[in-house]
Amino acid sequence: SQQGEEDPQALSIQEGENATMNCSYKTSINNLQWYRQNSGRGLVHLILIRSNEREKHSGRLRVTLDTSKKSSSLLITASRAADTASYFCATDPTSGSRLTFGEGTQLTVNP
Amino acid sequence: DAGVIQSPRHEVTEMGQEVTLRCKPISGHNSLFWYRQTMMRGLELLIYFNNNVPIDDSGMPEDRFSAKMPNASFSTLKIQPSEPRDSAVYFCASSLAGQGAGYGYTFGSGTRLTVV
Repeated sequence: SQQGEEDPQALSIQEGENATMNCSYKTSINNLQWYRQNSGRGLVHLILIRSNEREKHSGRLRVTLDTSKKSSSLLITASRAADTASYFCATDPTSGSRLTFGEGTQLTVNP
Repeated sequence: DAGVIQSPRHEVTEMGQEVTLRCKPISGHNSLFWYRQTMMRGLELLIYFNNNVPIDDSGMPEDRFSAKMPNASFSTLKIQPSEPRDSAVYFCASSLAGQGAGYGYTFGSGTRLTVV
């Protein structure tokens, strides 16, 4: 089964609103990463947060990590229609050697 | 850097035919991954290589699937014989390896395979 599980599966918002996606995982991790996938394209790495970090920012993206709850959230502020895509979290487990991807959240930003 | 390059972008083949997907990773990356993505099963890791050596092929669905990495700049995924249920988008990704190294993966644009 997938290590990471995203919530919600689908999210529809209006342009300018904030979008929040959540990810839960099961085992200890070295880091957690978020990826975006536009329709018909490959995944694109957005941001990485290490297990000893609690929050990280990159442009309009804000990621939080709570290792005690084994959860992470991705916040996209002031969303744009171009943010419409699927967003995946991926965990780098301490007991493994490769990333495990969740099933993704489909974000639709309506203009 | 041109990124991870996959070919072909689209492949339509008849059931029973051999299919070969190709990938050129980013120069300097020492890990390469093959994924398959479908609506039903999401993103599945098929196999990954580290320094050209297959490390984990437990995701390869059947003996009909094989993957090679003869050198650091090239990998192939072969399906022989192909079946309609193999229809999916196949992605190749590369990365600087190391558990906990903290590097993201760079994905190619994928090969959309349709087996009729």
